[in-house]
Amino acid sequence: DTGVSQNPRHKITKRGQNVTFRCDPISEHNRLYWYRQTLGQGPEFLTYFQNEAQLEKSRLLSDRFSAERPKGSFSTLEIQRTEQGDSAMYLCASSLDGMGQEKLFFGSGTQLSVL
Amino acid sequence: DAKTTQPPSMDCAEGRAANLPCNHSTISGNEYVYWYRQIHSQGPQYIIHGLKNNETNEMASLIITEDRKSSTLILPHATLRDTAVYYCIVRVGTGNQFYFGTGTSLTVIP
Repeated sequence: DTGVSQNPRHKITKRGQNVTFRCDPISEHNRLYWYRQTLGQGPEFLTYFQNEAQLEKSRLLSDRFSAERPKGSFSTLEIQRTEQGDSAMYLCASSLDGMGQEKLFFGSGTQLSVL
Repeated sequence: DAKTTQPPSMDCAEGRAANLPCNHSTISGNEYVYWYRQIHSQGPQYIIHGLKNNETNEMASLIITEDRKSSTLILPHATLRDTAVYYCIVRVGTGNQFYFGTGTSLTVIP
């Protein structure tokens, strides 16, 4: 069972550095989502892709954040000039477009700590 | 923003049924109710979803009231591994976001 894979699992960086996370979705899934989760809160939507097209971005996604899904397969999320407030779990999910019904399958996330 | 209301925490004895309520009084006619759960340090896991009718799968049952303003997730025989945060989600409008809210932290007690 090849589920959603995220790398790295943990990332520690210094404030001001750039970081990049990778997500490999389930192979036949055409939708890919990024969420962010801080301690004690539920996951917050950041952005999603339909194939290679980025169709929606949350206002949480500042201009320091950029996401790509170049060939409609894996995706990367880059954070430039990291701030301590960026410390969070970054979750990726994938799904098949299901005409109003949709099951998201999540990876285990990347835990980012900004010192 | 989340369109659901859930109690912040609940306890359940091991082996008993866990009934987790959710209010979604502003739900629209074509919006589905989804339930996910998240065990510590893992990504959320899909449990079940429904539109109008009650649904059952190998994990749980979903009971949706006739007016669709509330629902209950039932774990028929709770085990210690069911200890998790449970999220009730209504798929919002024409967008594609799943808004998770803060969920219900369920603790199964031995």
